[in-house]
Amino acid sequence: AQSVTQPDIHITVSEGASLELRCNYSYGATPYLFWYVQSPGQGLQLLLKYFSGDTLVQGIKGFEAEFKRSQSSFNLRKPSVHWSDAAEYFCAVGASYGNKLVFGAGTILRVKS
Amino acid sequence: DSGVTQTPKHLITATGQRVTLRCSPRSGDLSVYWYQQSLDQGLQFLIQYYNGEERAKGNILERFSAQQFPDLHSELNLSSLELGDSALYFCASSVTSVLNEQFFGPGTRLTVL
Repeated sequence: AQSVTQPDIHITVSEGASLELRCNYSYGATPYLFWYVQSPGQGLQLLLKYFSGDTLVQGIKGFEAEFKRSQSSFNLRKPSVHWSDAAEYFCAVGASYGNKLVFGAGTILRVKS
Repeated sequence: DSGVTQTPKHLITATGQRVTLRCSPRSGDLSVYWYQQSLDQGLQFLIQYYNGEERAKGNILERFSAQQFPDLHSELNLSSLELGDSALYFCASSVTSVLNEQFFGPGTRLTVL
């Protein structure tokens, strides 16, 4: 069965600093990987996805993520964080043949000025 | 705005009651997914419908049921409500029946008193 681990429940970074949110997945075959962001009181917005091909994927709002099969990781990065990036971030994995997404527990990002 | 709409936004009810949550997918999307987000369980997949037919089931209780209508909107019915059913219920939609990026609605917050 698929599973996702986001080891950091909370992360605080200064505005303008770089960001890396960690995500490790467990899945036997090639996974489909996603990062979603949830602002307070809002639904989930897709930041980026990896299905195949180039292991470095670019998303919206200046985010990128790198798929590393050997480490079963799909970490999210941003070179310079803005105060508006404060939100909760979810990593998710899906099977290439399946239907559902399995989500990690989420990482709450706080941005300090 | 993802294009997925959910009503109502908030619902407060009592234990033992029954409620219906409604979801309209993005124009052109045939798949509808329901997820439950709670503090203790995180984001959990409940059920998927594709073009009116049930396609996948997750951790959905027997007290819960769903359906998708010919106009592709979907309803999630929750009955014999318990305090532990209090959660945020999300609907998502995608174009196909197999895994693809899912677009999430704003959610319905259910409070059971």
